[in-house]
Amino acid sequence: GAGVSQSPRYKVAKRGQDVALRCDPISGHVSLFWYQQALGQGPEFLTYFQNEAQLDKSGLPSDRFFAERPEGSVSTLKIQRTQQEDSAVYLCASSSTPRDGYTFGSGTRLTVV
Amino acid sequence: AQSVAQPEDQVNVAEGNPLTVKCTYSVSGNPYLFWYVQYPNRGLQFLLKYITGDNLVKGSYGFEAEFNKSQTSFHLKKPSALVSDSALYFCAVRDGSTGRRALTFGSGTRLQVQP
Repeated sequence: GAGVSQSPRYKVAKRGQDVALRCDPISGHVSLFWYQQALGQGPEFLTYFQNEAQLDKSGLPSDRFFAERPEGSVSTLKIQRTQQEDSAVYLCASSSTPRDGYTFGSGTRLTVV
Repeated sequence: AQSVAQPEDQVNVAEGNPLTVKCTYSVSGNPYLFWYVQYPNRGLQFLLKYITGDNLVKGSYGFEAEFNKSQTSFHLKKPSALVSDSALYFCAVRDGSTGRRALTFGSGTRLQVQP
């Protein structure tokens, strides 16, 4: 597609629920990134895929967070047993080459109540 | 480790005046530097990058940035500000000497351009 598409745009989850956030990157972009942006802060790196391989997951805050990209295109970020501190905007980005800037999606705003 | 500092939470400038948004970085190897802009309820938009070459890089919407290795800075500039430039600006860095692709972002600077 023309840009990075994320769904849903907004998600309200009750504490303890599992959620799944979807990212559809730009067609042909090899690299895909997930970031977490808390209110009033800069984005914080979560994880990175090159094609279907998850090459860096050093930013995932706990084992409740899990990401996959099984066919090297669409990616899903799953958060199990959500907690209030998980409330944030989750941004997905993709890029074509290592020297390119990322193209970001509009994000999913997750609110845990 | 890599880090970015944006020392100003907010910058105010009158329309038509030049603007500067400051950024300093820390990285072990070769810095790859980026500026992004974020409008309300939107994702980040890429403005410009420095990878190698000329220290003055030009980007979208008339913005430019100057890479200064000795001062480890990458300040964003524009000769004449527009009201529509009002937004949140993020500087980011990664170490180009390693295979690690993760960008580290600063905390952001809110630019307010007054008519």
